[in-house]
Amino acid sequence: DTAVSQTPKYLVTQMGNDKSIKCEQNLGHDTMYWYKQDSKKFLKIMFSYNNKELIINETVPNRFSPKSPDKAHLNLHINSLELGDSAVYFCASSLNQGRTEAFFGQGTRLTVV
Amino acid sequence: AQSVTQLDSQVPVFEEAPVELRCNYSSSVSVYLFWYVQYPNQGLQLLLKYLSGSTLVKGINGFEAEFNKSQTSFHLRKPSVHISDTAEYFCAVRGETSGSRLTFGEGTQLTVNP
Repeated sequence: DTAVSQTPKYLVTQMGNDKSIKCEQNLGHDTMYWYKQDSKKFLKIMFSYNNKELIINETVPNRFSPKSPDKAHLNLHINSLELGDSAVYFCASSLNQGRTEAFFGQGTRLTVV
Repeated sequence: AQSVTQLDSQVPVFEEAPVELRCNYSSSVSVYLFWYVQYPNQGLQLLLKYLSGSTLVKGINGFEAEFNKSQTSFHLRKPSVHISDTAEYFCAVRGETSGSRLTFGEGTQLTVNP
């Protein structure tokens, strides 16, 4: 029973397209995140939601829009995809915003051609 | 804000040798510290964490880490590595204040050779 699941695992698309990545957690956590991992493996936080409310919004292009329909789901929609958006995107969740670790999904490898 | 520096981007070792992966952090507040492991084409898995109490923490797969407040370090160690320990290792820090984000270091690729 996967704790944090994201779909799809692989996504290949052309420049200019719009795509979404879905994330669900069944841990009952309040806080969810999106991280981007670049080709050098560096992990950078993009967004964080707590109980469906946006609490962290890093400097990412506004082509990226997160949506949290409920606290178990955090989806990422990307408009007008660019080559530089190619990366692995990780969804994660934590019990709350405090002294707890984050649990990660398996990642979505996005390739823009 | 917090920052993390992993001092070695790559660490090659032979099987059954000991290993230490170094991590230093910077923060103006007290912190929680974590080590994660990422196997190829997989997500991140928590190895161990320091929240409070004993500065020596033990994790899964025989790993341990020691929190040193004066040196602002949280180095990861294993006395005898296996081929299966080959992976990317990430040190991460979160400030004690509510809403503090989890910040990662740049990762250390551990390669265990036969």
